[in-house]
Amino acid sequence: GAVVSQHPSWVICKSGTSVKIECRSLDFQATTMFWYRQFPKQSLMLMATSNEGSKATYEQGVEKDKFLINHASLTLSTLTVTSAHPEDSSFYICSAWGQGDLNEQFFGPGTRLTVL
Amino acid sequence: GQNIDQPTEMTATEGAIVQINCTYQTSGFNGLFWYQQHAGEAPTFLSYNVLDGLEEKGRFSSFLSRSKGYSYLLLKELQMKDSASYLCAVMDSNYQLIWGAGTKLIIKP
Repeated sequence: GAVVSQHPSWVICKSGTSVKIECRSLDFQATTMFWYRQFPKQSLMLMATSNEGSKATYEQGVEKDKFLINHASLTLSTLTVTSAHPEDSSFYICSAWGQGDLNEQFFGPGTRLTVL
Repeated sequence: GQNIDQPTEMTATEGAIVQINCTYQTSGFNGLFWYQQHAGEAPTFLSYNVLDGLEEKGRFSSFLSRSKGYSYLLLKELQMKDSASYLCAVMDSNYQLIWGAGTKLIIKP
């Protein structure tokens, strides 16, 4: 089946630094990718919808200048957490929407971010 | 390798009960999640099981057997609004989520 990967799997950084998370669709092209944030034992909170070649659409309450999204190709979207703070520590999950016959959403394994 | 298996699609009748099964083989286990996802919307958290047994939450219940690598989601008194995809996901020893492909549940009047 279709696979979505994320890199890194986990990252620890100091407060004030920026962290980039990559989301790749490995064997299919995705015009649309989604970025979620998950709090412990809770729902995935949609942060933004990333469309290839255009600006991302952010959900209400998500700071677009803090969470920079770039969807430069049909197989790669990146989320950069700028000037990270401890409250940004969370589990970030991406998903990709396949094209054509793959008309469904595939989820990545997640990236655990810990900001010290 | 790691994998999660759940049926692709199920059909049930309004007012009835349906059980959606999920079997898993993962490197370690740090809990199993069930999510509900309506078309075009973000997944909604339904349950989290880390210990064996049944967890009941209103019309929805989730069961886990770690020794069998098995879980099920039980939906009672089905309503039309329960028509959705149900995703099973297991967190492995590295705290990575392994996702099932989802079960599309169709509710008929």
